[in-house]
Amino acid sequence: DTAVSQTPKYLVTQMGNDKSIKCEQNLGHDTMYWYKQDSKKFLKIMFSYNNKELIINETVPNRFSPKSPDKAHLNLHINSLELGDSAVYFCASSQASGTFQETQYFGPGTRLLVL
Amino acid sequence: QKEVEQDPGPLSVPEGAIVSLNCTYSNSAFQYFMWYRQYSRKGPELLMYTYSSGNKEDGRFTAQVDKSSKYISLFIRDSQPSDSATYLCAMRQRTGGFKTIFGAGTRLFVKA
Repeated sequence: DTAVSQTPKYLVTQMGNDKSIKCEQNLGHDTMYWYKQDSKKFLKIMFSYNNKELIINETVPNRFSPKSPDKAHLNLHINSLELGDSAVYFCASSQASGTFQETQYFGPGTRLLVL
Repeated sequence: QKEVEQDPGPLSVPEGAIVSLNCTYSNSAFQYFMWYRQYSRKGPELLMYTYSSGNKEDGRFTAQVDKSSKYISLFIRDSQPSDSATYLCAMRQRTGGFKTIFGAGTRLFVKA
């Protein structure tokens, strides 16, 4: 059973389009995250939700909007895609925010290519 | 200057070699140190974590932290081709939202 799953795995789209990436975790975790990994493998946090509430909101363009319908799901919607948005987007989850020792479990990633 | 610096490599070693992977950091508030392993086209997975200065061993892997020098290391003994992956160091403060800061990752190739 996949613990953290993401769809789609690959996404190729044109500049200016709007797209969504979905994430689901079946671990019963309270906290979910979105990370962006660029071509140089640099992994940077974008957002974090705890029980459907936004707790980390890094400096990302407001074209990126996370949505958490319930604590098992965290989706990422991107408006007006730009070339620089091309990257691998990882979803992750952890048991609870509030303890700095928490372990994060990552999904397999969504490879986004904007043409 | 990035908060966490890590040489991206690539690092190529023969099977059986001892591998040393390193990161330096600038924020003395970091208290929790982690190493993640990421295979090609997969998500990162936690390999080891430690809180304090000193060594922590787990099988062929040893994590070392020197808080006075703001320097962490991961040693891999008897390296295997299956260890070929990207290794990312990561660290976290005790306060401030528990945001995890990752290094750039070092690509390791272990040749059979």
